[in-house]
Amino acid sequence: QSVLTQPPSVSGSPGQRVTISCSGSEATIGSNTVNWYQHLPGTAPRLLMYSNFQRPSGVPNRFSGSRSDTSASLAISGLQSDDEAYYFCQSWDDSIDGPVFGGGTKVTVL
Amino acid sequence: QVRLVQSGAEVKKPGASVKVSCLLSGYKLTEVTMQWVRQAPGKGLEWMGKFDPDDHEPLSAPEFQGRVTLTEDTSTGTAYMELSGLRSDDTAIYYCATAIVVTGTAFDYWSQGALVTVSS
Repeated sequence: QSVLTQPPSVSGSPGQRVTISCSGSEATIGSNTVNWYQHLPGTAPRLLMYSNFQRPSGVPNRFSGSRSDTSASLAISGLQSDDEAYYFCQSWDDSIDGPVFGGGTKVTVL
Repeated sequence: QVRLVQSGAEVKKPGASVKVSCLLSGYKLTEVTMQWVRQAPGKGLEWMGKFDPDDHEPLSAPEFQGRVTLTEDTSTGTAYMELSGLRSDDTAIYYCATAIVVTGTAFDYWSQGALVTVSS
């Protein structure tokens, strides 16, 4: 069981907006920033969002992130077929001085 | 161009050990903290540990203490993760990851992953 909780799957039609939630605790998200990754099986995970809402170079602004208290969310607007992938959240646990992850959410474009 | 390249897939028997390598090219290994993460089939990502270049000390996640050994060969730019006492539930894809451009707690460079299968 993952430390951070994500829904197993979300889906939407092309052009729609979908949101992925990530729930943690005071010790994780409540005390540290949240990062998001896009992952296609067999490939290296790709950093999509860091420090809650910062986009690395090359990530389109269709992706946005937010964090509040012990939860965070990733929104994808203008959903495209290329967005079909797994998305997982990550934060930090100071007690182990290491990262903690969500179980991942499969985004399906209908 | 920064890249993390891992060794290939491995098949091991229960009780054996496996050593996975991770070659960092395009950047100095001495200037990054290398993280090790794994993903078992159908499961989420799980942190195994990290090697801090500042104090040259590895730090293992509680779940792996006593079973995982993290080392680095700075002359070749290669990090290693050795896992002992393999069990069937250690079957997973093992990744190395690090932060180079971004700040904070994120990792912007990941390896392609190395599949380790534990089976009798």
